[in-house]
Amino acid sequence: DAGVIQSPRHEVTEMGQEVTLRCKPISGHDYLFWYRQTMMRGLELLIYFNNNVPIDDSGMPEDRFSAKMPNASFSTLKIQPSEPRDSAVYFCASSGRTGGPRNEQFFGPGTRLTVL
Amino acid sequence: AQTVTQSQPEMSVQEAETVTLSCTYDTSESDYYLFWYKQPPSRQMILVIRQEAYKQQNATENRFSVNFQKAAKSFSLKISDSQLGDAAMYFCAYSFTGTASKLTFGTGTRLQVTL
Repeated sequence: DAGVIQSPRHEVTEMGQEVTLRCKPISGHDYLFWYRQTMMRGLELLIYFNNNVPIDDSGMPEDRFSAKMPNASFSTLKIQPSEPRDSAVYFCASSGRTGGPRNEQFFGPGTRLTVL
Repeated sequence: AQTVTQSQPEMSVQEAETVTLSCTYDTSESDYYLFWYKQPPSRQMILVIRQEAYKQQNATENRFSVNFQKAAKSFSLKISDSQLGDAAMYFCAYSFTGTASKLTFGTGTRLQVTL
């Protein structure tokens, strides 16, 4: 299995622009998570899905952030409009009955976002 | 709410020596998972070891072992025979065993390995 795939790996954009981050979970996993990592706040959960349905989005910082999971193999995290304080590494992770206990999450390589 | 605390921002160990990274957590649940993740400079999050709270036996994975003290809510990671490739950020994490398996992370410990 290729593992969790994220694109792009790096994104540099200007304040006010729309940013879309993409994630392909491991095939067969029914949970998908989006995390954000910053120096100030560490690793924090933004939102997670179960069977493509958003379950908990309480970590989404504000309305500028939105996430979708149109099918079991694809999810997006969108920021519109982006701001410099959104600069961070965004991780996608998935978990399920494959590959160990349900609670074991497998992380993608992350997307480093820089908003100028 | 669950919290995870790592009180050592940085640690250093000489190659071939042993080092212990500390982690404490707070939860009202009786059944849960605890994890140690490694994040090298490549920033990839790599699972090092996991512990099920209902198991009294401490988990081990090759040179990595944990000291799980449930009553004290303590979960330390011991790395034996440290290698240069062990240099990384190490994150302790907690997960409830219910259907929602979201992780709560500590702030991390940066481990340096010296010659």
